[in-house]
Amino acid sequence: QVQLQQWGAGLLKPSETLSLTCAVYGGSLTGHYWSWMRQSPGKGLEWIGEINHSGGTNYNPSLKSRLTMSVDTSKNQFSLNLSFVNAADTAVYYCARVRLKAMDVWGQGTAVAVSS
Amino acid sequence: DIVMTQSPDSLAVSLGERATINCKSSQTVLYSSNNNPYLAWYQQKPGQPPKLLIYWASTRESGVPDRFSGSGSGTDFTLTISSLQAEDVAVYYCQQYYGTPRMYTFGQGTKLEIK
Repeated sequence: QVQLQQWGAGLLKPSETLSLTCAVYGGSLTGHYWSWMRQSPGKGLEWIGEINHSGGTNYNPSLKSRLTMSVDTSKNQFSLNLSFVNAADTAVYYCARVRLKAMDVWGQGTAVAVSS
Repeated sequence: DIVMTQSPDSLAVSLGERATINCKSSQTVLYSSNNNPYLAWYQQKPGQPPKLLIYWASTRESGVPDRFSGSGSGTDFTLTISSLQAEDVAVYYCQQYYGTPRMYTFGQGTKLEIK
C-alpha cells in the first residue's frame, strides 16, 4: 500500500522560498504523475503542479513563474520549491499521487505560514 | 479558466436520509479514451487530507461504501449518499481534469452536516 510522507519548513518570511519534499513508501515513482495541492480558507483546494518519474512537469499557470518541481528517483522522493512567497501563499500544502486523473493517495499535509 | 461550482455550499440531512451534492463545470469535462469523464469526488474530514471517493464520475474507489454514488456527464455531475451515516459528516469536493493545458480544478466544497 502506497503511503506519502511530506515535510518542510512551516514558517517563512515574505520573499523567501518555500521548500517541501514528499517521500513515496510502498511503491515506485514510475508510472504516475505526482502532484502538489494547497488549501487555504480563502481559495479552497488549488492544484499547484505535477511531476513524473523522469522529471516531466506541468504547472498551474498562475504559479508557474515562481515554481520549480524536481524528482529524486534514488530516494523515491519529489520536491516543490515556490520562490518569493507572500501572505497569499499561506496554506496547508499536500502531495498526492495521480491515478486516472484523480488524486488517490495523499500526504498528511504541511501547514505553511508566511509572515514578517 | 475552467470553474467548478458546487451546490449547495452547505447541507444538513437527517441520519438515514439521502444527501445530494451537485457540481457544474464551466466547460465540458474531458473524457478518457474509454469514454469516461475525468470527474472525481473527495471527502475531507477536519484535520485530514481529502480522500478519493469516486473517479470517472461514477466509479467508486476501492473500499468506499456503496451508499456513495456518482453520476452525470458533460458539465453536470452529482454525488449522492443514499443513507446518511454519522461518519459521513465532512466537506465534499469535486475535481475535474483539463488536458490543454494539463491541469486540475476543484470545486469550492460542500459542507455536509447532520440535521
